[in-house]
Amino acid sequence: DTGVSQDPRHKITKRGQNVTFRCDPISEHNRLYWYRQTLGQGPEFLTYFQNEAQLEKSRLLSDRFSAERPKGSFSTLEIQRTEQGDSAMYLCASSSSGAEQFFGPGTRLTVL
Amino acid sequence: AQSVTQLDSQVPVFEEAPVELRCNYSSSVSVYLFWYVQYPNQGLQLLLKYLSGSTLVKGINGFEAEFNKSQTSFHLRKPSVHISDTAEYFCAVSDEWGDNQFYFGTGTSLTVIP
Repeated sequence: DTGVSQDPRHKITKRGQNVTFRCDPISEHNRLYWYRQTLGQGPEFLTYFQNEAQLEKSRLLSDRFSAERPKGSFSTLEIQRTEQGDSAMYLCASSSSGAEQFFGPGTRLTVL
Repeated sequence: AQSVTQLDSQVPVFEEAPVELRCNYSSSVSVYLFWYVQYPNQGLQLLLKYLSGSTLVKGINGFEAEFNKSQTSFHLRKPSVHISDTAEYFCAVSDEWGDNQFYFGTGTSLTVIP
């Protein structure tokens, strides 16, 4: 068990560019969550998957944000036409029971 | 929907002194409660959790918390802190049922002074 991994750890991009982040959950976990954390705040829920089904996406911040989990294993989070306000830490978590979530190290996005 | 309030944004404390980090939540349903710790530029590490049973929960690194349903609180305590406890601490709540998404507080920055 290597834990939840996220790639890349850091991403610097220019405003208007698209970015994609990857999350690899703990292998036997069927639930996968995405959160955003801005400076000085707690993580904010974005979306979650149970296996390959995206069961909640109403909290995605805008239609520029989308997430996939095509085979029920890894997941990607894409932000199109990035804005400076998208700069944040993006956290992924996985769970088997739903009661406890295991978090990855996060991807820090900086939009210039 | 649930919400979490962490009443202290910053807590300085001397090494080997006791500390309490306060957390209150609001919810109309049964909940699970968690405390996570975050070191700079890292993800969240679970300190302890309350799912059911005994209201006094013990976690890693000597931390403990007590669930008080009547006061809707879940305060974190440690009898003697170390320099290595300096970090950001987050309280979180989730529904016992449903999608179990977490609602986090805004965090408490604990600074241990030598």
